[in-house]
Amino acid sequence: KNQVEQSPQSLIILEGKNCTLQCNYTVSPFSNLRWYKQDTGRGPVSLTIMTFSENTKSNGRYTATLDADTKQSSLHITASQLSDSASYICVVNTGFQKLVFGTGTRLLVSP
Amino acid sequence: EAGVTQSPTHLIKTRGQQATLRCSPISGHTSVYWYQQALGLGLQFLLWYDEGEERNRGNFPPRFSGRQFPNYSSELNVNALELEDSALYLCASTPGSGGGYEQYFGPGTRLTVT
Repeated sequence: KNQVEQSPQSLIILEGKNCTLQCNYTVSPFSNLRWYKQDTGRGPVSLTIMTFSENTKSNGRYTATLDADTKQSSLHITASQLSDSASYICVVNTGFQKLVFGTGTRLLVSP
Repeated sequence: EAGVTQSPTHLIKTRGQQATLRCSPISGHTSVYWYQQALGLGLQFLLWYDEGEERNRGNFPPRFSGRQFPNYSSELNVNALELEDSALYLCASTPGSGGGYEQYFGPGTRLTVT
C-alpha cells in the first residue's frame, strides 16, 4: 500500500532554533517528492521538489534531503521564525500526477 | 498574477443533498486537481482534469464527480452527501500535465454536512 509517514506529528521549538522533520515513504513507482507548507485554513505552498537523482535541495532557510535507497526524506529549517509556524506536508508523486500525501508535521515556533 | 480561486469559501449542506464546488485555475494553466482534506487526515487525491478530460481518479465512490470547462475552470460535484464528506476541499492547478510541474493550491472550500 502506498503510504507516506511523517514524524514527529507535532513539534514546538523556540524562535531562532533549527529543526528537522522526517518523511518515510513506501510508494511505488516514484516520480518525485515535494515538501509543502500549509498555513492554517489555507492551501499548501510548495517549498521544494526532488526527483530520484537529487539528494538535496534548498529554498532559503529550508533544505530538503532525499535518500531514494532508504525511501527517506527530511526537511531542515534553519534559524526558525514565528512565520514558520504551519503544517509541513511531504508528498510523493507516483507518476501520472497521482500524489500520495503524508499527514503532516504541525510546527509551532514559540517566541 | 491571480492565484487559484475557489468558491464558495464555506458550504453547509444536509445529509443526502448535493454539493457543487468551483475552482478557477491560474491563467494559462490547463490541469486542475481536486483533493479532500478531512480533519486530522492528510490530503486525499480525488480527481485530475486536463484539457477538459478526466485523466485520473482517486479511491472515491462515483458520487464524487466533476468536470472541466473550455476555459479550464472546474467544478466538483458530491451527490448524496454523507456526514463523513465534511472536509476542506482543495483545488490545485498546473501549466500542463507533466509530473514535474508544481501544483498551486487554492484556499479551499470547507464543506460541512449536518
